Amino acid sequence: QVQLQESGPGLVKPSETLSLTCTVSGGSISNYYWSWVRQPAGKGLEWIGRIYSSGSTNYNPSLQSRVTMSVDTSKNQFFLKLSSVTAADTAVYYCARAGALDIWGQGTMVTVSS
Amino acid sequence: EIVLTQSPDFQSVTPKEKVTITCRASQSIGSSLHWYQQKPDQSPKLLIKYASQSFSGVPSRFSGRGSGTDFALTINGLEPEDAATYYCHQSTSLPQTFGQGTKVEI
Repeated sequence: QVQLQESGPGLVKPSETLSLTCTVSGGSISNYYWSWVRQPAGKGLEWIGRIYSSGSTNYNPSLQSRVTMSVDTSKNQFFLKLSSVTAADTAVYYCARAGALDIWGQGTMVTVSS
Repeated sequence: EIVLTQSPDFQSVTPKEKVTITCRASQSIGSSLHWYQQKPDQSPKLLIKYASQSFSGVPSRFSGRGSGTDFALTINGLEPEDAATYYCHQSTSLPQTFGQGTKVEI
């Protein structure tokens, strides 16, 4: 069955760029939308954006100026970059298979701190 | 942006009870409304997709209904393992949005 796994640094300094990878295993990344969702501790879910396997993207306007998503179909991976991070970006970051988010990764905690 | 408002924010219930959580959208979203269950320190799990379609492997006590702006998730015969936070999510309009969550305590 398809599984997702997030990876990346758990600690990022303020003003730097957060970079995460989501690896898709057990199935192909092709012909699907893939989303990123985040959740600050004790709070609700926020949709960051999505990328189609062709590379087409849609971002949340609240983050659009700082977000870049990309995909590498040869490696069955997609990526999130969030620039100029602040403490407000501290959260668990999830990748998920989009429309209805039927498959989620386990999540990775990212802390923004000096 | 479409705002999803869940009700109630918190519900304390006893086992075997019937629980209904509602989700109201600020504008019509057709049937592209999905429900998730999240337990502490776990990722969300899809329960119901497109308002009323049960996701594979989800117990039959979970059901969904609605269209347009008003939706509901019902748990018939609550089990102790159903203690969790439940979220609705719309994928009709960008940006996609989530409800604020409903915590169900048993």
